Amino acid sequence: KNEVEQSPQNLTAQEGEFITINCSYSVGISALHWLQQHPGGGIVSLFMLSSGKKKHGRLIATINIQEKHSSLHITASHPRDSAVYICAVRKGAQKLVFGQGTRLTINP
Amino acid sequence: GAGVSQSPRYKVAKRGQDVALRCDPISGHVSLFWYQQALGQGPEFLTYFQNEAQLDKSGLPSDRFFAERPEGSVSTLKIQRTQQEDSAVYLCASSLAARGQETQYFGPGTRLLVL
Repeated sequence: KNEVEQSPQNLTAQEGEFITINCSYSVGISALHWLQQHPGGGIVSLFMLSSGKKKHGRLIATINIQEKHSSLHITASHPRDSAVYICAVRKGAQKLVFGQGTRLTINP
Repeated sequence: GAGVSQSPRYKVAKRGQDVALRCDPISGHVSLFWYQQALGQGPEFLTYFQNEAQLDKSGLPSDRFFAERPEGSVSTLKIQRTQQEDSAVYLCASSLAARGQETQYFGPGTRLLVL
């Protein structure tokens, strides 16, 4: 079993829908990251969380340390949100362990 | 520069050939990371540098893989006697400090194809 599991693996939705991507982990962590990867490989860090909730524009990330679970929400989704979203947890000082990613497609 | 850069962006190698992948981190960033991303998978940690010191190389898959950062800035990942299973995107990331709670900034990656 992977240390970081994401669901769903693939998600297709219509423009405007509310999107939720889930991440569960099985190890002790010091922080959790949500990353966005567009075709061609470029990865952008969206959030870094160690507790609670963070919001940036239409993106919201939450984490429940006790349940070892995090969610990434996108409100009023748009086709430009189409990308792979990756959850990664920080073990120890620096090392990141990544989930397999969720491929999101938003249709106009 | 404005961000992390990597070169080459694409590399095709014949099986058995040696390759060298370069990473230019953001100027002044202390920490540098190498990751390997197979097709359809999330990245996997290879190695970590703090300045010129390689503090963690636990993710390097074999002794054919070697990384260095001799002056604490540019880093090179070298793969000797490449195998088909080495085909992947190799990502480099840097962060400002050595503390644990730092955002990592990723380069565009080098896509390696071993034939």
